[in-house]
Amino acid sequence: ETGVTQTPRHLVMGMTNKKSLKCEQHLGHNAMYWYKQSAKKPLELMFVYSLEERVENNSVPSRFSPECPNSSHLFLHLHTLQPEDSALYLCASSYYVGPGTSSYEQYFGPGTRLTVT
Amino acid sequence: EDQVTQSPEALRLQEGESSSLNCSYTVSGLRGLFWYRQDPGKGPEFLFTLYSAGEEKEKERLKATLTKKESFLHITAPKPEDSATYLCAIDNYGQNFVFGPGTRLSVLP
Repeated sequence: ETGVTQTPRHLVMGMTNKKSLKCEQHLGHNAMYWYKQSAKKPLELMFVYSLEERVENNSVPSRFSPECPNSSHLFLHLHTLQPEDSALYLCASSYYVGPGTSSYEQYFGPGTRLTVT
Repeated sequence: EDQVTQSPEALRLQEGESSSLNCSYTVSGLRGLFWYRQDPGKGPEFLFTLYSAGEEKEKERLKATLTKKESFLHITAPKPEDSATYLCAIDNYGQNFVFGPGTRLSVLP
């Protein structure tokens, strides 16, 4: 496997289900990201893990719960979702960007198309 | 609040008809500007990084330029396979990128 992989590619779940999205990066990066992409809206950052420290976006509902067991793997645990959560969920990775360093591009996975019924 | 806007929202070109896409930004500080290409139902694919005004990058039919307030993605003699949504993003020294809404490009044969 190369680059950033995501599983599953498609997921349909009811509002009472619990499911998890998985992301794995094979690029040697040490920062990973979850984004939500809804129709006709810019990419919305949900969570960032940088050097295994979580930087959280406060506007993300608690029904989304991230987990980053190591620098190569990232999970997004989902529970009691709403229909408006249906979207393309994208994982990305990059080298760590800290104060005084250069900016590094993020590499994206293919996404998980989530439908909440 | 830092903002990124892109214009036009959608663009239809005939094959071989050159044009430019615009990315304008209002930020407190710019560490880097990034261009991505996204095909329907797929993740964004990295194209270019620009760091300072006056910088230019080229790849095949694409050329990206940067000024102090905007960036342009020039497409020379486009082909149908260049059809995609082109996204612009900035690194404003925060912990993440700020993405623009994208320009949806269609190149007709």
